Amino acid sequence: DAMVIQNPRYQVTQFGKPVTLSCSQTLNHNVMYWYQQKSSQAPKLLFHYYDKDFNNEADTPDNFQSRRPNTSFCFLDIRSPGLGDAAMYLCATSRVLAGVETQYFGPGTRLLVL
Amino acid sequence: GENVEQHPSTLSVQEGDSAVIKCTYSDSASNYFPWYKQELGKGPQLIIDIRSNVGEKKDQRIAVTLNKTAKHFSLHITETQPEDSAVYFCAASTGSRDKVIFGPGTSLSVIP
Repeated sequence: DAMVIQNPRYQVTQFGKPVTLSCSQTLNHNVMYWYQQKSSQAPKLLFHYYDKDFNNEADTPDNFQSRRPNTSFCFLDIRSPGLGDAAMYLCATSRVLAGVETQYFGPGTRLLVL
Repeated sequence: GENVEQHPSTLSVQEGDSAVIKCTYSDSASNYFPWYKQELGKGPQLIIDIRSNVGEKKDQRIAVTLNKTAKHFSLHITETQPEDSAVYFCAASTGSRDKVIFGPGTSLSVIP
């Protein structure tokens, strides 16, 4: 089935140790997003790619970076994770349908920072 | 920028009753309003959406209404079932290449 896949589903890292989360999609959507979601909160957009055009949210910390080597894959790199970066990280993709974008989310990666 | 408010933050209903979640938005240019259901430990799942040229949309037990004049939209779930228990997010967007703004979420509990 076409879908958004995130690996790993759970990631444990140490304070300050770089970590990479990955997302892949078989939907052939041209837009991919990374969201951070903390407990009992709405997803918070970190950045998105419209094709290869990278768009960073103004309040996304410099500690967070992203790569999109091709249409299907997108990576989230956290250079020096802090305790406050423990969260669920959601990848989403979208297609333009009649002028609006419908976003489809992956299952998320839960990051624990020790 | 767009701001989306959502009420109530928590909602408990008896199985078989109806549940209503209400959202308001601030940007009159918003024209797309999706609703997401998020179960514990999973990503949000799109359950229904509505565009600004439509006042109501229904899909089985789920319906969404939109009042553009008042800038509010609502999710209605009829004949609720325990598996409807989840967090529901409303959202608004002004369209292509614009980000989706989420409401803070409603935690729905359906009591058997």
